[in-house]
Amino acid sequence: QKEVEQNSGPLSVPEGAIASLNCTYSDRGSQSFFWYRQYSGKSPELIMFIYSNGDKEDGRFTAQLNKASQYVSLLIRDSQPSDSATYLCAVNPGYSSASKIIFGSGTRLSIRP
Amino acid sequence: GAVVSQHPSRVICKSGTSVKIECRSLDFQATTMFWYRQFPKKSLMLMATSNEGSKATYEQGVEKDKFLINHASLTLSTLTVTSAHPEDSSFYICSALTSGGYRSYEQYFGPGTRLTVT
Repeated sequence: QKEVEQNSGPLSVPEGAIASLNCTYSDRGSQSFFWYRQYSGKSPELIMFIYSNGDKEDGRFTAQLNKASQYVSLLIRDSQPSDSATYLCAVNPGYSSASKIIFGSGTRLSIRP
Repeated sequence: GAVVSQHPSRVICKSGTSVKIECRSLDFQATTMFWYRQFPKKSLMLMATSNEGSKATYEQGVEKDKFLINHASLTLSTLTVTSAHPEDSSFYICSALTSGGYRSYEQYFGPGTRLTVT
């Protein structure tokens, strides 16, 4: 069983709609959760992080965390063509800085005009 | 804040030569940095964890004698690909860990180095 699982996609969403990206993780003790965006040929860019159950909003992005169900999601409102990218979910299983962040394989998102 | 740079951004070298890639945290100190490799359309693959002042920890299957990592200061880690071969051609990305507060750490990536071995 993979430690962090994401649907590889591609997920196709019309411009202006809400894109919903999901991620599940296996380590129930995980503490920190991250969403990265990676454009083709570029390195990942941190766009959201969340530590507590519930929702966290930042502009058009909302991260949702449910530790009991072991899933974390990312909502992108008013999707734009520039949001087309691969989105990586990442989980830090421990408190220590030496804990390695574990990445999912990513979901490819395509926003169609 | 939390800017990580890498140099060079792109390098072409001949088979059998060595290449050094630098990773710097520009506006924070990073006791821990990570080195990843990514092949086209594939996932990030963690190669090693670099800790300032100590030996790097390599992931299973990564040759430590081929991929030399030095983390001599709180803002600089280097990866040297020794005796490079065409199969080492890849996108190498570093990241640095910064503290976001009590028991919270965020990881920021450098822009990556595209290595082509001919």
